[in-house]
Amino acid sequence: GNSVTQMEGPVTLSEEAFLTINCTYTATGYPSLFWYVQYPGEGLQLLLKATKADDKGSNKGFEATYRKETTSFHLEKGSVQVSDSAVYFCALSARTGTASKLTFGTGTRLQVTL
Amino acid sequence: EAGVAQSPRYKIIEKRQSVAFWCNPISGHATLYWYQQILGQGPKLLIQFQNNGVVDDSQLPKDRFSAERLKGVDSTLKIQPAKLEDSAVYLCASSLVRVEQYFGPGTRLTVT
Repeated sequence: GNSVTQMEGPVTLSEEAFLTINCTYTATGYPSLFWYVQYPGEGLQLLLKATKADDKGSNKGFEATYRKETTSFHLEKGSVQVSDSAVYFCALSARTGTASKLTFGTGTRLQVTL
Repeated sequence: EAGVAQSPRYKIIEKRQSVAFWCNPISGHATLYWYQQILGQGPKLLIQFQNNGVVDDSQLPKDRFSAERLKGVDSTLKIQPAKLEDSAVYLCASSLVRVEQYFGPGTRLTVT
């Protein structure tokens, strides 16, 4: 079946540090890949997505590249801010008939300090 | 554009009681999803509706969970009777057909 594995948290960084959160996946076919962010007390928000190999998704300074050869979709940001503190979820979407199901990783908590 | 609405935001019940959650998707979104998010885990899909028909309910514990989507708009998810392990955040999401999903704020359920 489909699965997503992401690095364990929490990740603690100082403001302006470089961020990488690793994500690898297992899927049949050609899934779409997503990063969602969950701020405290809020629902999930789509951060970025990529729908085919070598696509780069980007938003708010975050980037991730769909690497089919390594089945990875690592999230990066060059300079994190305190406001980036949240839980980040990697997910894939694979179609089965008319269903389009999201499979999530377990989430990585990011804490950014001054 | 209004987002996905859910209510209540919080609910505390005793085991063996019943509970219901409500979701109003984004206007025009034909597909509606219910997810269960246990603390420390990623969301797990419980059920997916396309308009008012069920597309995928393979991970819904049908002995105690039920869901409906009348008239293809609002949806309710019910648990009866609740167990301790049902304590989680229940997330509703909606999407246009086969496009990214938009999530509501969730309902945090505590079963004591």
